[in-house]
Amino acid sequence: QKEVEQDPGPLSVPEGAIVSLNCTYSNSAFQYFMWYRQYSRKGPELLMYTYSSGNKEDGRFTAQVDKSSKYISLFIRDSQPSDSATYLCAMSEASGSARQLTFGSGTQLTVLP
Amino acid sequence: EAGVTQSPTHLIKTRGQQATLRCSPISGHTSVYWYQQALGLGLQFLLWYDEGEERNRGNFPPRFSGRQFPNYSSELNVNALELEDSALYLCASSWLDRGRVGANVLTFGAGSRLTVL
Repeated sequence: QKEVEQDPGPLSVPEGAIVSLNCTYSNSAFQYFMWYRQYSRKGPELLMYTYSSGNKEDGRFTAQVDKSSKYISLFIRDSQPSDSATYLCAMSEASGSARQLTFGSGTQLTVLP
Repeated sequence: EAGVTQSPTHLIKTRGQQATLRCSPISGHTSVYWYQQALGLGLQFLLWYDEGEERNRGNFPPRFSGRQFPNYSSELNVNALELEDSALYLCASSWLDRGRVGANVLTFGAGSRLTVL
């Protein structure tokens, strides 16, 4: 079993839809949870990160962490064609050298105009 | 501020040859990470260098190696290339204060695409 599982998609939605992207993990020591976005032929870029459980909102994006279920989500409201990309979840422990990130395999999202 | 830069952008080699990829981190960042992203697969962790030392290594054969220079730039060497080594190789950098607790935010370069024929 992989340490971080992410549905690879592909996921295709109409413009304006609410998108839900999810990851599950097995390491209960993970404390930092991140979402990266990767456009085609580009490197991943950080969207947002959260610490421990709870929600964090940034514009149209909301990250949610449920540590009891070992489940994290990224919601995109009012999705736009420019949101079409691969979304990668990543997570790490809190301190020292254990802060090396473990990535999910990524979910490919297409938002249709 | 310049981001993480990688060179070359594209590299074409034949089986059995050696490839060398280079990475310059963001100024002030002391940690450099290398990832392999093969088509349809996620980011597979290769190597982590911090302060000139190898801190961790992913599940790759020894023909994948690298080093970090005193200016914190890094190179990745792949010897005896195989067809399945064809992938996008991503370098990322961060500033990791090992004495503190905090998020380890990686900034990625655009990658070097290696094609093995």
